[in-house]
Order: sequence, then structure tokens, then C-alpha cells
Amino acid sequence: QKEVEQDPGPLSVPEGAIVSLNCTYSNSAFQYFMWYRQYSRKGPELLMYTYSSGNKEDGRFTAQVDKSSKYISLFIRDSQPSDSATYLCAMSAVPNRDDKIIFGKGTRLHILP
Amino acid sequence: DTGVSQDPRHKITKRGQNVTFRCDPISEHNRLYWYRQTLGQGPEFLTYFQNEAQLEKSRLLSDRFSAERPKGSFSTLEIQRTEQGDSAMYLCASSLRQGINTEAFFGQGTRLTVV
Repeated sequence: QKEVEQDPGPLSVPEGAIVSLNCTYSNSAFQYFMWYRQYSRKGPELLMYTYSSGNKEDGRFTAQVDKSSKYISLFIRDSQPSDSATYLCAMSAVPNRDDKIIFGKGTRLHILP
Repeated sequence: DTGVSQDPRHKITKRGQNVTFRCDPISEHNRLYWYRQTLGQGPEFLTYFQNEAQLEKSRLLSDRFSAERPKGSFSTLEIQRTEQGDSAMYLCASSLRQGINTEAFFGQGTRLTVV
């Protein structure tokens, strides 16, 4: 079992819809959870960052962490064609030497105009 | 521009040649990471540094790969005797590891093609 599992998609939704992206993980030491957006042939861009459990909202984006289920989500409201990209979840453990950032495979998202 | 900078952006090399990539992190970031990404996959961890100390190397990093961060600022990743399987995007990221803060910011990557 990989440490971080993410459905690769592709996921196609109509413009204006609410998008739900998810990841599961197996390492209970993970405390930091991140979502990155990556356009084709570009580097990943940090979207959201959450420490421990709970929700965090930033504009049209909401990140949720459920540590009891080892499950994280990213919601995009009022989706736009410009949101079409690959979304990567990433996570790392508590601050110590073994706290490298581990990524999921990424979910390809297409927003249909 | 104060983001993470990688050079070159693209590199085409013949199998068996050596290549070196450079990463300039965000100023004063003490952490620097190297990842490799192939088509349809997420970034795979290769190695990371805390200042000039290399903390961990992935098993993906064979003896042909070496990374340095000599003064705790920029870093280089060298691949010796390149193979076609080394073709990938090589990504560098940096972060300021301070307390609970661990947000990592990526460069645009170096795309390597081995022919």
C-alpha cells in the first residue's frame, strides 16, 4: 500500500459545479497537509496548507482534514475553466528529521465550459 | 523574482553523458528538496537538505545520482552516465522549516530527455 493514495481521474465537471478531490493516507504521523495545483509542463503551485485536523477556506477553495479516517479533501466552488489542471495532495510528519513531503499521484481535473 | 529558480529548464542529452542541474531556493529558506516527476505521476521524493546537510536520500537515487548544497544556499543535482529511464521532470522545492511551518514552494522544473 502506498503511503498516499489519490484517484488519478480524469475528472470532468461542468463550469460552475462544486468539485471534490480526495486523498487517503496510511501514515498516522502525517500532520501537515497540502494541496498543489499543477498546469501542464509547469511546477506545482501551493494552493492550501493545513496543520492537523479541521477545515481551512481560501476564496473558492476549502481544504478538509479528517485524521481519524486518514482522509483529506479539497473542494472547489464555482469551478472555472481556468481550474483545469492536475491537483496534487501532499503531506509530511511532525518536525523531525523524517519529515519529507510525500505526494499523491495527482487528479487531472477538466472544467467544461 | 523571489521564487525558486531552476536551470536549465530543458536538457536533451545522449545516453551515457553526465548532466548537472541547479536550483536556487527562496532566499533564507533552510530546506531544499529534489523530486522527480514522470508523466501521469506525482512528484517522487529524491533527497532533501536542511541547510547544507543532506538529511535523506531515496532508494530511487542510485549511485549515479548525487546532490550537493555546499553553502546551504543553491543546490546541484548531478546524474552520471544517463540512461533513458532518467528522462523526467526534475523539480526543486524550498521551505522555511521553523516551528510548524513547512510550506514548500516549487520551481518550474528541469525537463530532462535522454536520447
